[in-house]
Amino acid sequence: AQTVTQSQPEMSVQEAETVTLSCTYDTSESDYYLFWYKQPPSRQMILVIRQEAYKQQNATENRFSVNFQKAAKSFSLKISDSQLGDAAMYFCAYKKTSYDKVIFGPGTSLSVIP
Amino acid sequence: NAGVTQTPKFQVLKTGQSMTLQCAQDMNHEYMSWYRQDPGMGLRLIHYSVGAGITDQGEVPNGYNVSRSTTEDFPLRLLSAAPSQTSVYFCASSYSGQGYTGELFFGEGSRLTVL
Repeated sequence: AQTVTQSQPEMSVQEAETVTLSCTYDTSESDYYLFWYKQPPSRQMILVIRQEAYKQQNATENRFSVNFQKAAKSFSLKISDSQLGDAAMYFCAYKKTSYDKVIFGPGTSLSVIP
Repeated sequence: NAGVTQTPKFQVLKTGQSMTLQCAQDMNHEYMSWYRQDPGMGLRLIHYSVGAGITDQGEVPNGYNVSRSTTEDFPLRLLSAAPSQTSVYFCASSYSGQGYTGELFFGEGSRLTVL
């Protein structure tokens, strides 16, 4: 069964600095999708960034970028120029195909220090 | 746009009572799912559906039932509530056809307390 691991339960970063959140996953598939979701205190889940496994180029969305290492089964999220609004729970997620289930990691709580 | 609508947002039950959490989406998404969120455990998949008439179990299905009679609705039933089912529940849906992006659209969550 696929599993998603986030080894950092809590992280903190100074405002304007850069932070990297780690995610590893276990799968025997060659094609799949990976995601990072953000959950602020409002509890609403928000998609931050996605990566398709067959694409070698790392995805980027403004201040958010990923380091996708397929052989190592690693999918880390880098947040540059951290802002107070980035404080939230961040979840890494995996999906095999468009008709398959989405599996989430346990999450990393990110604090941003002014 | 309504998106994914969950009701109720809050519910308190006594042990042994039954209830249904409602989930409806108006985006014609084939895929729908239910998660529970507990501190330190992330979102754990309870049940999911890839289309009307098709459901499957997730990681933690015991104590919950689902059905999918229409594309729009995916209710979650607690047959006999237990304190271990105290949690925040999320319904989520996604499009599965051409141009698929994989993005899950979430409801606002339902906080359930079982006494």
